[in-house]
Amino acid sequence: GAGVSQSPRYKVTKRGQDVTLRCDPISSHATLYWYQQALGQGPEFLTYFNYEAQPDKSGLPSDRFSAERPEGSISTLTIQRTEQRDSAMYRCASSRDRLQETQYFGPGTRLLVL
Amino acid sequence: AQTVTQSQPEMSVQEAETVTLSCTYDTSESNYYLFWYKQPPSRQMILVIRQEAYKQQNATENRFSVNFQKAAKSFSLKISDSQLGDTAMYFCAFMKNYGGSQGNLIFGKGTKLSVKP
Repeated sequence: GAGVSQSPRYKVTKRGQDVTLRCDPISSHATLYWYQQALGQGPEFLTYFNYEAQPDKSGLPSDRFSAERPEGSISTLTIQRTEQRDSAMYRCASSRDRLQETQYFGPGTRLLVL
Repeated sequence: AQTVTQSQPEMSVQEAETVTLSCTYDTSESNYYLFWYKQPPSRQMILVIRQEAYKQQNATENRFSVNFQKAAKSFSLKISDSQLGDTAMYFCAFMKNYGGSQGNLIFGKGTKLSVKP
């Protein structure tokens, strides 16, 4: 697509439920990033993919968080057994490849855990 | 580990005037990029300007320019002729360069800029 898209834009869930967020990167882009942005803070790195490979998961806050990109295009971020502290904006970004420094961000998914 | 510090949580400026947002960073790396991103009320993340650390010349993009002081690890953003549409949260960000392969973005906490008519 022309830009990075994310869905849903807003998600309200109850504590303990699982949620899955989706990111559709720019179609020619090999590299995809996930960031978490708490209210009043800058985004923080969670994980990234080169095509379907996931070389770095170091930013995932716990094993309740997982991400996939099985065909090297669309990616999903799943949070199991959500907790109130998971409430944040989840941002996806893509770049042409790992050599390119510019990351293009999607509109984000705002998650609220009640 | 790299850190990015934005010491001004909020700033305001009159329309048509100039404002400078501060950013300092801490790193032992020599190859890296620095960025300013803008987050308007719509909460999109929009790239404003970027600077390669190996370039001494300061980057400019129309009304936006940076003052990059590598030795001081300072990277300020100057907005000239401020417009109402510049009202946004501005994030400074650092990215390490691993000999051609890029690292992840490390962001500061942001500066909220209000442009007043």
